Amino acid sequence: GAGVSQSPSNKVTEKGKDVELRCDPISGHTALYWYRQSLGQGLEFLIYFQGNSAPDKSGLPSDRFSAERTGGSVSTLTIQRTQQEDSAVYLCASSSRGTVLYEQYFGPGTRLTVT
Amino acid sequence: DAKTTQPNSMESNEEEPVHLPCNHSTISGTDYIHWYRQLPSQGPEYVIHGLTSNVNNRMASLAIAEDRKSSTLILHRATLRDAAVYYCILRDSGVGGYSTLTFGKGTMLLVSP
Repeated sequence: GAGVSQSPSNKVTEKGKDVELRCDPISGHTALYWYRQSLGQGLEFLIYFQGNSAPDKSGLPSDRFSAERTGGSVSTLTIQRTQQEDSAVYLCASSSRGTVLYEQYFGPGTRLTVT
Repeated sequence: DAKTTQPNSMESNEEEPVHLPCNHSTISGTDYIHWYRQLPSQGPEYVIHGLTSNVNNRMASLAIAEDRKSSTLILHRATLRDAAVYYCILRDSGVGGYSTLTFGKGTMLLVSP
């Protein structure tokens, strides 16, 4: 079956512009996660969705970052007024449930470069 | 989250077994031990997880020490495709009904033909 997909695969943007990153989780997965991976910081958690609500936003680095999920499916991560330190690979993952017993399936990521 | 300690890198030859160690001396009774790996230019993928007993699946085996302060991921016959960064992660089953992944630096496994 289809795995987690993300678009675009690569995004180059100028500093100060807004960007939207999209994640299509595996059908039927209620839990959705966003992570980012940068050279200096490794892989870090950003936000967790259960259905359309986000009970854990603790990893969002600033108020320039926001995310939403609609219909219990597609999620969009928005970064406003991008900065060079936002350059990273943004990874989305989904799982059947959010609990510890369910593995997370990761997408291929979106590589964001802020110039 | 409890912390894990892994070697920065390990090397293996193709078709030989590989034992990847992980120390987690501050593990709590509700922590599950999860392993993920990340192949070059790909997102992480799940490998295996366990709580107290040793576990086997098609990808690997997980050996958990009796005191649970350490564990070992075993790849029975390494292939070139197994070259990846392997992450040992503790996931707490007792907090809020959900659990995210906290990645450390992992172990980079190099496999030689």
